[in-house]
Amino acid sequence: KQEVTQIPAALSVPEGENLVLNCSFTDSAIYNLQWFRQDPGKGLTSLLLIQSSQREQTSGRLNASLDKSSGRSTLYIAASQPGDSATYLCAFPNAGGTSYGKLTFGQGTILTVHP
Amino acid sequence: DAGVTQSPTHLIKTRGQQVTLRCSPISGHKSVSWYQQVLGQGPQFIFQYYEKEERGRGNFPDRFSARQFPNYSSELNVNALLLGDSALYLCASSLGPRGEAFFGQGTRLTVV
Repeated sequence: KQEVTQIPAALSVPEGENLVLNCSFTDSAIYNLQWFRQDPGKGLTSLLLIQSSQREQTSGRLNASLDKSSGRSTLYIAASQPGDSATYLCAFPNAGGTSYGKLTFGQGTILTVHP
Repeated sequence: DAGVTQSPTHLIKTRGQQVTLRCSPISGHKSVSWYQQVLGQGPQFIFQYYEKEERGRGNFPDRFSARQFPNYSSELNVNALLLGDSALYLCASSLGPRGEAFFGQGTRLTVV
């Protein structure tokens, strides 16, 4: 059973800082990994998807890496802005078996970027 | 191009009542999944439908049911509502069962 842990649970930084969010998983037989952002009371916005065969993906100021051997993914946010304040979640679909489309989520990291 | 749309956005129901939530996937997406998110936690998987067949079910009681229509839209039904069913219900669509998932804005259900 895949278990996902996100560290830290909360992070508060001044505007302009570069920061790293961590996502650890127990089963390295992953199909892909997605990072999402969620604003309070809203749905999830897909940020990046990394396929199992990839090491990283970049979109604007965001860079996500994947290291299956160590069971870790990191989301790097460059030059943070107040508008980046949100909860960030990582998620994996089941690698196989039944419910293989089921996404397992971490608990999320609550990010606050203050001016 | 429209994203995933869910209706209604907010709903207040009384214990014991029944509720139906609706989801329209992105055009061309054939997979729809439902998740429940309580405050402070990550979303929990309820159901996945692909090509109008149930492809997965999470650890939820039989009071929860769903279906997918020929146009790939989906409904989630919850019977005999309990206070603990109060949550944000999220719908996600993808091209295939393990494709990139795109979520709607959710339906906030409050049971009183």
